[in-house]
Amino acid sequence: DTAVSQTPKYLVTQMGNDKSIKCEQNLGHDTMYWYKQDSKKFLKIMFSYNNKELIINETVPNRFSPKSPDKAHLNLHINSLELGDSAVYFCASSQGASGSLTGELFFGEGSRLTVL
Amino acid sequence: AQKVTQAQTEISVVEKEDVTLDCVYETRDTTYYLFWYKQPPSGELVFLIRRNSFDEQNEISGRYSWNFQKSTSSFNFTITASQVVDSAVYFCALSEVNYNTDKLIFGTGTRLQVFP
Repeated sequence: DTAVSQTPKYLVTQMGNDKSIKCEQNLGHDTMYWYKQDSKKFLKIMFSYNNKELIINETVPNRFSPKSPDKAHLNLHINSLELGDSAVYFCASSQGASGSLTGELFFGEGSRLTVL
Repeated sequence: AQKVTQAQTEISVVEKEDVTLDCVYETRDTTYYLFWYKQPPSGELVFLIRRNSFDEQNEISGRYSWNFQKSTSSFNFTITASQVVDSAVYFCALSEVNYNTDKLIFGTGTRLQVFP
């Protein structure tokens, strides 16, 4: 069983479209994240949720809207896609609850988004 | 502000050579974690090691070893007798441990190419 799974792995779409990437973790973790890796391989956090509550929002355009229906899922919806949104998006999870922070994130395999 | 610097953008070695990847970090926290992740050409992020700020012992795992020195804020990674399969981008990361979430701050990565 994959611990953190993302779908789709590849997504090619036109500018202006709206798309979603889904993420699920079966580790029982409280916290989930979205990271963006750009074409230069730079990895940067976008959002984190703890038990469905938004904790970190790192000055991401509001065209990006994360949604956490439950603590095992964190989806990323992107409106009005732009060329600069082309990147690999990684979902991750961690234990994250008070008293059990370890700093260790478990990453999904990434979703490569290409905007044409 | 928290920051991770990997000054080496790209390193090329010939198989069986030893290679050291440098990582320097900045943080005001007294409790923090340091990580190394490997990203092979297939794209996934592979966890290699976590070290907490109170444990300065060096660690060896097979051909991999890590040298953590708080005095110089460095957490360097050495691969002994490198192999072609070690070719990947290696990321050093620092975690910012908050009440209910962990945030990894990544360096810009070092691309290691091992030639046969």
